[in-house]
Amino acid sequence: AQSVTQLGSHVSVSEGALVLLRCNYSSSVPPYLFWYVQYPNQGLQLLLKYTSAATLVKGINGFEAEFKKSETSFHLTKPSAHMSDAAEYFCAVSVSRWYGGSQGNLIFGKGTKLSVKP
Amino acid sequence: NAGVTQTPKFQVLKTGQSMTLQCAQDMNHEYMSWYRQDPGMGLRLIHYSVGAGITDQGEVPNGYNVSRSTTEDFPLRLLSAAPSQTSVYFCASSLSGYVEAFFGQGTRLTVV
Repeated sequence: AQSVTQLGSHVSVSEGALVLLRCNYSSSVPPYLFWYVQYPNQGLQLLLKYTSAATLVKGINGFEAEFKKSETSFHLTKPSAHMSDAAEYFCAVSVSRWYGGSQGNLIFGKGTKLSVKP
Repeated sequence: NAGVTQTPKFQVLKTGQSMTLQCAQDMNHEYMSWYRQDPGMGLRLIHYSVGAGITDQGEVPNGYNVSRSTTEDFPLRLLSAAPSQTSVYFCASSLSGYVEAFFGQGTRLTVV
């Protein structure tokens, strides 16, 4: 079975500082990995995805993530935080049904709330 | 571009009442799913569908029913609401199971 662990339910950074949100996954077969962002009272929006192409993935709003198989990690980073980055971020994994996945449905981590201080 | 549309946005139910949460998408996506979001729990899969006429259970299906008669619509039925079903419900759709899912704006349900 697949699972996702997000380290830190709350992360606080200063505006202009590096953002690092941690995600570790568990999967015995090649995973697809996603980061979603949720702004208050809104649905989820895709930030970026890894689907076995390049290990360094660039997303929207200056975010990027690196897939590290040896560490089973897919951490999300942004060099310089903006106030508008304050939101909740979710890491998710899915697996092809050819490997026994449930038609590729997403398994989510519990989320990390990012606060940005002025 | 409507994308995924959920109605209603807010709902208060009394224990034991039934209701249907509506979800419609206009992207001709085969895959549709329902998730519930609770504080500190992330999103948990309730039911999903891989096409019209085909549905299956997710992680937390008890107390919910679904059907998929058309590609566009995937309603979620609460048969007899319980306070434990107080949550925010999200519908999602995707072209296949392995590309990004598009989410609706959510339905905030309170059961009293």
